[in-house]
Amino acid sequence: AQKITQTQPGMFVQEKEAVTLDCTYDTSDQSYGLFWYKQPSSGEMIFLIYQGSYDEQNATEGRYSLNFQKARKSANLVISASQLGDSAMYFCAMREGWGTGRRALTFGSGTRLQVQP
Amino acid sequence: DGGITQSPKYLFRKEGQNVTLSCEQNLNHDAMYWYRQDPGQGLRLIYYSQIVNDFQKGDIAEGYSVSREKKESFPLTVTSAQKNPTAFYLCASSSGTENSNQPQHFGDGTRLSIL
Repeated sequence: AQKITQTQPGMFVQEKEAVTLDCTYDTSDQSYGLFWYKQPSSGEMIFLIYQGSYDEQNATEGRYSLNFQKARKSANLVISASQLGDSAMYFCAMREGWGTGRRALTFGSGTRLQVQP
Repeated sequence: DGGITQSPKYLFRKEGQNVTLSCEQNLNHDAMYWYRQDPGQGLRLIYYSQIVNDFQKGDIAEGYSVSREKKESFPLTVTSAQKNPTAFYLCASSSGTENSNQPQHFGDGTRLSIL
């Protein structure tokens, strides 16, 4: 079974509008963390936002916010006021295995966002 | 500025040849990772190291080898046993305790192609 599922291969959004990128995850751990990264066409991975499984508040970082629904195992990224520079691949990732020493991330397949003027 | 440096940016491999990708970090991070990314796909974990002189296989370790002799360096060798090595390789590092929310920091990647 997929650990991280991103069901939207591609999304379009008009400049200045908000967009939601979906992410669902699968884990039996009680403690885990969810990350979103942005990958522009140049290839580097840019960290955007983090949500811990025990965080009661949804995470926010500037124009990025995370709609965390623990019971549904979803962690959707919301980008407000889209800008042309937001056009990129977006990856949802999970870190589980608290207590095992493994800090590596499991990534979804990504969503390509294109912002239109 | 602190960061992760990967070299070379582009690498070409001949059939039957081993090649080594360099990854150096000056962030004083304990943990380092290697990921592989195929076109249009997410990242998959090849190897990771939590501490010097120790490393663990990830999900797709076959055909790859690593070493961690220094905290700053985590080179990846793509051996001739890796039959489909063409991909984008990303190195990352992270700090903090095991339960930390600290994100992984990534290098700019190496694109490996077969000649």
